[in-house]
Amino acid sequence: SQELEQSPQSLIVQEGKNLTINCTSSKTLYGLYWYKQKYGEGLIFLMMLQKGGEEKSHEKITAKLDEKKQQSSLHITASQPSHAGIYLCGAVLGGATNKLIFGTGTLLAVQP
Amino acid sequence: DAGVTQSPTHLIKTRGQQVTLRCSPISGHKSVSWYQQVLGQGPQFIFQYYEKEERGRGNFPDRFSARQFPNYSSELNVNALLLGDSALYLCASSLEGALYEQYFGPGTRLTVT
Repeated sequence: SQELEQSPQSLIVQEGKNLTINCTSSKTLYGLYWYKQKYGEGLIFLMMLQKGGEEKSHEKITAKLDEKKQQSSLHITASQPSHAGIYLCGAVLGGATNKLIFGTGTLLAVQP
Repeated sequence: DAGVTQSPTHLIKTRGQQVTLRCSPISGHKSVSWYQQVLGQGPQFIFQYYEKEERGRGNFPDRFSARQFPNYSSELNVNALLLGDSALYLCASSLEGALYEQYFGPGTRLTVT
């Protein structure tokens, strides 16, 4: 099984609706990243969370880290077509501080 | 300031050939990591370099090698290319390692025929 699970795998929402993407780890999280990727392109850094209970926001995107549950959520408020893309969570797991482990991503489509 | 740059953007090679991919980190960043992303999957860690020293290696065969130069730029080399090496190769730059904000470049799309 995957060390980092994302859900849902894909999501279609109407413009203006809110949505949440989850990322759950099977190991202790030492750092959790959220990235956005357009098909075939590089990863765009959104946020990094390191402390339990930490919450960060960037424009209409908010991410939270629940360290006890080994889980993070990404919430988009009032979605827009510009939010469409693939959202990836990446994490520093266990003692391996030299690398990120990634989930398989969540494909988001926003219908006008 | 410029972000992470990678070259070339696209590359087509034949099985058995060798390829070199290049990465320049953000100014001031001393760590470079390489990842391979196959279509439909998340990136997989290949190498991390910090101050020209290899700090970590993922589960990739010895055909994959890398190095980091005094100016902190890096090269990833892949020998004896296989069809399965076709992927997007991503370079990430950070101050020191994965516990510091990691910024990715646009990637190099490698196609092996």
